[in-house]
Amino acid sequence: KQEVTQIPAALSVPEGENLVLNCSFTDSAIYNLQWFRQDPGKGLTSLLLIQSSQREQTSGRLNASLDKSSGRSTLYIAASQPGDSATYLCAPSSNTGKLIFGQGTTLQVKP
Amino acid sequence: EPEVTQTPSHQVTQMGQEVILRCVPISNHLYFYWYRQILGQKVEFLVSFYNNEISEKSEIFDDQFSVERPDGSNFTLKIRSTKLEDSAMYFCASSPGQGNRETQYFGPGTRLLVL
Repeated sequence: KQEVTQIPAALSVPEGENLVLNCSFTDSAIYNLQWFRQDPGKGLTSLLLIQSSQREQTSGRLNASLDKSSGRSTLYIAASQPGDSATYLCAPSSNTGKLIFGQGTTLQVKP
Repeated sequence: EPEVTQTPSHQVTQMGQEVILRCVPISNHLYFYWYRQILGQKVEFLVSFYNNEISEKSEIFDDQFSVERPDGSNFTLKIRSTKLEDSAMYFCASSPGQGNRETQYFGPGTRLLVL
């Protein structure tokens, strides 16, 4: 059974810092991995999708990497801004498309 | 930009009552999903749906739950007899192709409170 862990659970940084959010998963037989952003009481916004054959995916200030064999993914946020404050969720996909979510990392970026 | 919509945004119901949560997936998408998030907990998969059939369901998705695509645009989740523990945020998602290859796009959610 796939288990997803995200470290740290919470992070508070001053504006402008570069930061790394970590995601680990127990079953390396994944098909893709999505990173989402969730604002309090809101839905999930997809940030990046990495296919299992890819090592990296970039969108603006966000860069996600995937090491399938070791069961790890990282989300790198460059030059963080207060508007980046949210909970970040990673979710690897099974062969059927089912997403298994981690608990998330709650990020606060202080002005 | 097309997006998944869900109605209602909030629903309060009495234990034992039936509720229907509605979703309008993105128009050219073929795969549909329901997830839920109990307050303070992880987002959990409930069911996936393709070609008018359930593709996969979790152990949470018991006989009290059903899904339907009654027309070409709506996708519904019905809970026949709600329990207190069904209180959660319910998210609908859709993807253009199979979810193991394509991005799943989530709706804003319906917050269900069972009293």
